[in-house]
Amino acid sequence: DAMVIQNPRYQVTQFGKPVTLSCSQTLNHNVMYWYQQKSSQAPKLLFHYYDKDFNNEADTPDNFQSRRPNTSFCFLDIRSPGLGDAAMYLCATKPSGGAVTQYFGPGTRLLVL
Amino acid sequence: AQKVTQAQTEISVVEKEDVTLDCVYETRDTTYYLFWYKQPPSGELVFLIRRNSFDEQNEISGRYSWNFQKSTSSFNFTITASQVVDSAVYFCALSEAGAGGTSYGKLTFGQGTILTVHP
Repeated sequence: DAMVIQNPRYQVTQFGKPVTLSCSQTLNHNVMYWYQQKSSQAPKLLFHYYDKDFNNEADTPDNFQSRRPNTSFCFLDIRSPGLGDAAMYLCATKPSGGAVTQYFGPGTRLLVL
Repeated sequence: AQKVTQAQTEISVVEKEDVTLDCVYETRDTTYYLFWYKQPPSGELVFLIRRNSFDEQNEISGRYSWNFQKSTSSFNFTITASQVVDSAVYFCALSEAGAGGTSYGKLTFGQGTILTVHP
């Protein structure tokens, strides 16, 4: 089945130790998004890719970076995780053009020790 | 700027009760899209429905129904005969069309409503 896959589902890292979260999709969608969702809060968009064009939200900290080597894969890099970065990280995709519905992966829950 | 308000933080019902989740939105765009997503304890956001601003027809899908009223900027969601499996956080979201139909589709979410259905 076509889908959005996120690995790992749970990630534990140490304060200040770089960590990478991965997202892949078999939907062949042009647009990919990364959201951060802290406990009891709504998802918050960090950035998105339209094909290879990277678009950062204005309030996304510099600590967060992303790479998209091809259509299928997108990575979220947290260069120096702080305790406040512990959250669920959700990847979503959508086709380009008039399509508007985003399809989400299962998320990666990040714990920072 | 767009905004979505879900005034109900938590709702608790007993199985088989009907429950309505409220959603009110603000936008300056004339073309926009409204969504409901379900987030069970596993964390995945599950798409339930999308409504276009130019289509105010209400929709029913099994036990789920949605009432879209532009006059009151509301997009409410009703679950009929609720079940324990309906327990989740429900998010209402808004996306504006953007210029030339090329919006990257940024979703603005409400704060979510935690629905607990007791047996």
